[in-house]
Amino acid sequence: NAGVTQTPKFQVLKTGQSMTLQCAQDMNHNSMYWYRQDPGMGLRLIYYSASEGTTDKGEVPNGYNVSRLNKREFSLRLESAAPSQTSVYFCASTDQSNSNQPQHFGDGTRLSIL
Amino acid sequence: RKEVEQDPGPFNVPEGATVAFNCTYSNSASQSFFWYRQDCRKEPKLLMSVYSSGNEDGRFTAQLNRASQYISLLIRDSKLSDSATYLCVVNSKKTSYDKVIFGPGTSLSVIP
Repeated sequence: NAGVTQTPKFQVLKTGQSMTLQCAQDMNHNSMYWYRQDPGMGLRLIYYSASEGTTDKGEVPNGYNVSRLNKREFSLRLESAAPSQTSVYFCASTDQSNSNQPQHFGDGTRLSIL
Repeated sequence: RKEVEQDPGPFNVPEGATVAFNCTYSNSASQSFFWYRQDCRKEPKLLMSVYSSGNEDGRFTAQLNRASQYISLLIRDSKLSDSATYLCVVNSKKTSYDKVIFGPGTSLSVIP
């Protein structure tokens, strides 16, 4: 049981390049989330998907797009990377049908933009 | 006022000490509460859920005070391996989705 899997684990980009961060979960969860965490800071929600086919903006959505490809997969795209987007990105999922269920996290993608 | 607030610390305690963290939340409609731990440069991992009646898991005890809107985590007999950042998490239902708010975290260093 892999839980939440993120790829890649590390990536270095040049300013202006684009890339997609992948996330997949095998726990049959409805809700999926993308967070960023900057050094010494807390988690900030970028986008979330309450269920397959729906996505909504979180606290810091500018510069990002997302796709909920199916129930398992939720990808995050940077169309034109900027140095301010250098961060660690975490994907998480939870069973929305029960609000007492915690979120499960992937082990993160460490992204550096030069 | 932030929705979830924690004392950032750092808390530096000797091995074997007892340490307590508090967390306050602003949304009285919040429904579920959790403590996570996060090791340096790693993903957050669930430590324990927090139940209304309080709950214990080994050396860890969590308490919830809905009237005062705060959550606490008590760690007894601290171990070196307890060194981490502890995140308070508050979950509120809002229309059709869960609104999950992570606190900024409290840093703990257990010293030999």
